[in-house]
Amino acid sequence: QKEVEQNSGPLSVPEGAIASLNCTYSDRVSQSFFWYRQYSGKSPELIMSIYSNGDKEDGRFTAQLNKASQYVSLLIRDSQPSDSATYLCAVSKPGNTPLVFGKGTRLSVIA
Amino acid sequence: GAVVSQHPSWVICKSGTSVKIECRSLDFQATTMFWYRQFPKQSLMLMATSNEGSKATYEQGVEKDKFLINHASLTLSTLTVTSAHPEDSSFYICSAPIQGNYGYTFGSGTRLTVV
Repeated sequence: QKEVEQNSGPLSVPEGAIASLNCTYSDRVSQSFFWYRQYSGKSPELIMSIYSNGDKEDGRFTAQLNKASQYVSLLIRDSQPSDSATYLCAVSKPGNTPLVFGKGTRLSVIA
Repeated sequence: GAVVSQHPSWVICKSGTSVKIECRSLDFQATTMFWYRQFPKQSLMLMATSNEGSKATYEQGVEKDKFLINHASLTLSTLTVTSAHPEDSSFYICSAPIQGNYGYTFGSGTRLTVV
């Protein structure tokens, strides 16, 4: 079982719709959870971080964490064509440890 | 704050030559730097972890004699790809943890093409 799993997509949604991205992780020791957006040929860009169970909202983005189910999600409301990118779920364990990334989900927002 | 400057952003080299990639922390001290590699349509895979003043720790399957990592100061970590081969062509990214707020900062990445 991979440590961080995501559906690779592509996920296609119409402009203005809600895009829902999901991620599961295997190590219960995981403490910090992140969603990154990556455009082709570019470095990942942080969208959201979440550390405790529940929802965290920032503008059009909502991250949800359920540690009991080892599940993290990202909702993008009012999706825009500029949101089209690959979204990477990443988790880290306590201490000075590296991020472990999922394969990424490619999102395509159709105008 | 917490900016990592990575250079070069792209490099083309001949097979058999060596290439050095630098990651410099501009406004903080990076005691730890993580080096990732990303092949097309794949995710970021951790290659190694470098700590200032000590030997790097390499992930399984990564040749330490081929990918030389030096972290001689709190603001500079380098990755040297020695005797590069076409299969080393990839996107290399460095990342440092930001102390105190659980976040990470990333370099802008280096696109290496070996011909």
